[in-house]
Amino acid sequence: ETGVTQSPTHLIKTRGQQVTLRCSSQSGHNTVSWYQQALGQGPQFIFQYYREEENGRGNFPPRFSGLQFPNYSSELNVNALELDDSALYLCASSRTNLKQFFGPGTRLTVL
Amino acid sequence: KQEVTQIPAALSVPEGENLVLNCSFTDSAIYNLQWFRQDPGKGLTSLLLIQSSQREQTSGRLNASLDKSSGRSTLYIAASQPGDSATYLCAVPLTQGGSEKLVFGKGTKLTVNP
Repeated sequence: ETGVTQSPTHLIKTRGQQVTLRCSSQSGHNTVSWYQQALGQGPQFIFQYYREEENGRGNFPPRFSGLQFPNYSSELNVNALELDDSALYLCASSRTNLKQFFGPGTRLTVL
Repeated sequence: KQEVTQIPAALSVPEGENLVLNCSFTDSAIYNLQWFRQDPGKGLTSLLLIQSSQREQTSGRLNASLDKSSGRSTLYIAASQPGDSATYLCAVPLTQGGSEKLVFGKGTKLTVNP
């Protein structure tokens, strides 16, 4: 059974650009959640996807969007990047409303 | 609104010491609480998950307790080792509509000195 994987490991973008982060969920899991963790803070919930539909959203603007695919993998897209978007982005997969398993994260730096 | 607080924010201890990390939450209507470990720049590793029906959960040198009525949980680490140095986060689930999200504290950064 493979765990949750994320790509890329880290990347650097400039303000105004767009970025796509990817997550492969653990085998048998149908739900993917995304979190943003700024330096020195706890992770903050961005949104959750279940069966390819957004299932819940935290306090993040619409320029944060996502997708979930039939194989339950997921993407997080961020448009019009701002300096404050610099953070570790964590993906977690689970079976419906059961324990979430986290991936290693993607470190995004916005210059 | 659920808020999770962790005290202290940072802790430095000598190797071999027993220590306690604290977590408090404002809404006691939780059905579990989870403790995570995070190494610098890395993802989260789940250490212990305590169901609301349990008062304690143990794994090796780690023991977590949960007191829902007082809105508190503690993580006890026995005989600390330098390899325990990391940030420890606690989280509680919050169900909104059909989704469940985790609400995290800011973590306690632990340094165990040889």
